[in-house]
Amino acid sequence: EPEVTQTPSHQVTQMGQEVILRCVPISNHLYFYWYRQILGQKVEFLVSFYNNEISEKSEIFDDQFSVERPDGSNFTLKIRSTKLEDSAMYFCASRGLRGGNEQFFGPGTRLTVL
Amino acid sequence: EDQVTQSPEALRLQEGESSSLNCSYTVSGLRGLFWYRQDPGKGPEFLFTLYSAGEEKEKERLKATLTKKESFLHITAPKPEDSATYLCAVYTGGFKTIFGAGTRLFVKA
Repeated sequence: EPEVTQTPSHQVTQMGQEVILRCVPISNHLYFYWYRQILGQKVEFLVSFYNNEISEKSEIFDDQFSVERPDGSNFTLKIRSTKLEDSAMYFCASRGLRGGNEQFFGPGTRLTVL
Repeated sequence: EDQVTQSPEALRLQEGESSSLNCSYTVSGLRGLFWYRQDPGKGPEFLFTLYSAGEEKEKERLKATLTKKESFLHITAPKPEDSATYLCAVYTGGFKTIFGAGTRLFVKA
């Protein structure tokens, strides 16, 4: 069964460093999303991406964040200068054009900022 | 402001003890309500989508229902492997999905 994959599973970085989180959505999906979940808290929407552009973003998704679909399979989230409060699980999700509006999530990347 | 509230925060059941989880929502223009299961350290796993009041969906021991203001996830005769956090989320037709805080379910053998 097709699934969303994410790499790395765990990323440790120093405050102020740039990180890139990678996702491979399900192959025929056209809508892509990033969410974060701080330990013990709810899943929070960051950004949605469709037709090679951001379709919506939350207040969390400030100038330190960017997304890109560099080729036909990868979808990335870049954090330019990480802060301690960026430590969280980051989930990628994708949705197909047909069928319901449900999104399918990857296993997540745990980001730890020291 | 769009809001999703889940109750209870945590629920402890004995194996075989049926119960229900609640998700109440206040959104402008519901386009879909989702239920997900999340195991510790993992991504949410899709369970159901409901679109309109009166709709019901079933999968094994789980049944989801929807009214105009809330959704219920009914768990019939749960087993220990049903222990997880159950997340409710609403889709309002933009490109944003709003999640509730979840209900942590513990099923004891």
